[in-house]
Amino acid sequence: QTVVTQEPSLTVSPGGTVTLTCASSTGTVTSGYFPNWFQQKPGQAPRALIYSTSNKHSWTPARFSGSLLGGRAALTLSGVQPDDEAEYYCMLFYGGAQPWVFGGGTRLTVL
Amino acid sequence: EMQMVESGGNLVQPGGSLRLSCAVSGFTFSNYAMNWVRQAAGKGLEWVSRISTSDGSIHYADSVRGRFTISRDDSRNILYLQMNSLSVEDSATYYCAKEPTGGLVTRGQGTLVTV
Repeated sequence: QTVVTQEPSLTVSPGGTVTLTCASSTGTVTSGYFPNWFQQKPGQAPRALIYSTSNKHSWTPARFSGSLLGGRAALTLSGVQPDDEAEYYCMLFYGGAQPWVFGGGTRLTVL
Repeated sequence: EMQMVESGGNLVQPGGSLRLSCAVSGFTFSNYAMNWVRQAAGKGLEWVSRISTSDGSIHYADSVRGRFTISRDDSRNILYLQMNSLSVEDSATYYCAKEPTGGLVTRGQGTLVTV
């Protein structure tokens, strides 16, 4: 069974920079996995931020960026704001019978 | 503006059935594959099912295969999820998601299923 792994929690100071990563149990994450990133705040529905590794949706703030880093997908937040405190989920594409798999989420605390 | 409104969630006994709907507007529904994603209370996101466009190919998570059926009505711009033989583990908020190239996009607030 494919497993997508994220850091359970991270803490960042306001104005700082933080990178969240997303690893696959199958090995190196490449652009062919079409990494996606979602943000979810308490009591709200998830909101897509990044698709296909680094592409932003029209509503994605400029301080969010996606990349591949050290064999993983990565989401970097620059100039973090208190409003960025949320759960962040990555999602990878595997095709086949179960095309999309979510990671377990990273709880980002801005402190 | 793109909208996706999920409905049909309810309280149901184990072994029961429900049909979820997702009414969409603001984009050409028939041009996009569509998915269902769910989230149990206090848990992470879980992909549930996908239906493509023209060839109608369908995929399910192992956890629901054989019990859930995804379908779409392109004439009415509605996505469905028929859920049978429901168990406590199926309790979750269910979201529909549009699939443009390379990703998924959610828009609605989901619909709550309690088993």
